Amino acid sequence: GNSVTQMEGPVTLSEEAFLTINCTYTATGYPSLFWYVQYPGEGLQLLLKATKADDKGSNKGFEATYRKETTSFHLEKGSVQVSDSAVYFCALTNNAGNMLTFGGGTRLMVKP
Amino acid sequence: SAVISQKPSRDICQRGTSLTIQCQVDSQVTMMFWYRQQPGQSLTLIATANQGSEATYESGFVIDKFPISRPNLTFSTLTVSNMSPEDSSIYLCSAQGRDRGRGEQYFGPGTRLTVT
Repeated sequence: GNSVTQMEGPVTLSEEAFLTINCTYTATGYPSLFWYVQYPGEGLQLLLKATKADDKGSNKGFEATYRKETTSFHLEKGSVQVSDSAVYFCALTNNAGNMLTFGGGTRLMVKP
Repeated sequence: SAVISQKPSRDICQRGTSLTIQCQVDSQVTMMFWYRQQPGQSLTLIATANQGSEATYESGFVIDKFPISRPNLTFSTLTVSNMSPEDSSIYLCSAQGRDRGRGEQYFGPGTRLTVT
């Protein structure tokens, strides 16, 4: 079956530091890949997505590239802010597009 | 976009009782889902709520424990039955609409359930 593995947190960074959160996946077929973010006390929000190999998703300064050869979808941001403190979830969808499989989540804490 | 609300936002319940969680979407959506998020853990899909028919449950979840209704395209309920402390979790409703691609789901704020 499908599965998603992401680096464990918490990740603690100083403001303006570079962020990488690793995500690898196992899937059959051609899944779409996603990063969702959960701010404290809120539900999940879609951050970015990529639907095919070599696609780069980007939003709010975050980027992730769909790497089929390494089955990875690492999240990066060049300069984090305190407001980026949240839990980040990597996810993929099945071929039918009606089911999401989530990774374990990575808590990011950004200190001023 | 769609906005999802859930009621209640949190509750503390006694062992052996049941709680029904409501999920309301402000626009018609094609698919609705229920997830469980245990403390500090990831999300696990409980079931897909089907409009006008029985929900589709994932492995490890059964209708007797988690009955689900979806009477129309904007509303669904999840009941957690005969609760035990192991049911203490955040329960999240999500929806996918025609305005979004596959896998792009809107999420509600969650219902935090504590069973004593």
